[in-house]
Amino acid sequence: GAGVSQSPSNKVTEKGKDVELRCDPISGHTALYWYRQSLGQGLEFLIYFQGNSAPDKSGLPSDRFSAERTGGSVSTLTIQRTQQEDSAVYLCASSFENTGELFFGEGSRLTVL
Amino acid sequence: KNEVEQSPQNLTAQEGEFITINCSYSVGISALHWLQQHPGGGIVSLFMLSSGKKKHGRLIATINIQEKHSSLHITASHPRDSAVYICAVGDNWDATNKLIFGTGTLLAVQP
Repeated sequence: GAGVSQSPSNKVTEKGKDVELRCDPISGHTALYWYRQSLGQGLEFLIYFQGNSAPDKSGLPSDRFSAERTGGSVSTLTIQRTQQEDSAVYLCASSFENTGELFFGEGSRLTVL
Repeated sequence: KNEVEQSPQNLTAQEGEFITINCSYSVGISALHWLQQHPGGGIVSLFMLSSGKKKHGRLIATINIQEKHSSLHITASHPRDSAVYICAVGDNWDATNKLIFGTGTLLAVQP
């Protein structure tokens, strides 16, 4: 596609439910990143993919968070048993190389009630 | 102390003014990014630099590796420049875009 696409753009869920957030990076971009932007917390790194493998998962806040990437393209971030503190905007970005220019999606705003 | 610090946190300017936003960091870096985020909008990468100076239109970014400092300048500012400007650095041990972000500078340019 022309840019990084994320879905859903908004998700409201109840505490304890599972959610899946999807990222479709720019075609040909091998590196994919998930970040989180919480109110009052700024942006933080969650996980990085190079191809289908995730060399760095150090930013995932707990074992309720997981992510996968298939076909070197689409990535899914899954949050199990959501908590209110998971409420944030989840941003995906991709780059052609590990340290190339980053292209961000519009984000998925998650609200946990 | 945050690894990436920006100043000022908030900035109000009149249209046409020259604007400077500063970023200081404490880690060794592979690259420094300047990002722009409009209210309710996504994030756009403005610059990625590891040395020297880059210019794009009315925007100029400079970096001093020895002093661990970068500046983003906006010449002839316009209300459409109103946004949050975020400085972020890539750790040079990672050589990835696993970025450490500053807290952002909220810029409001008044007509």
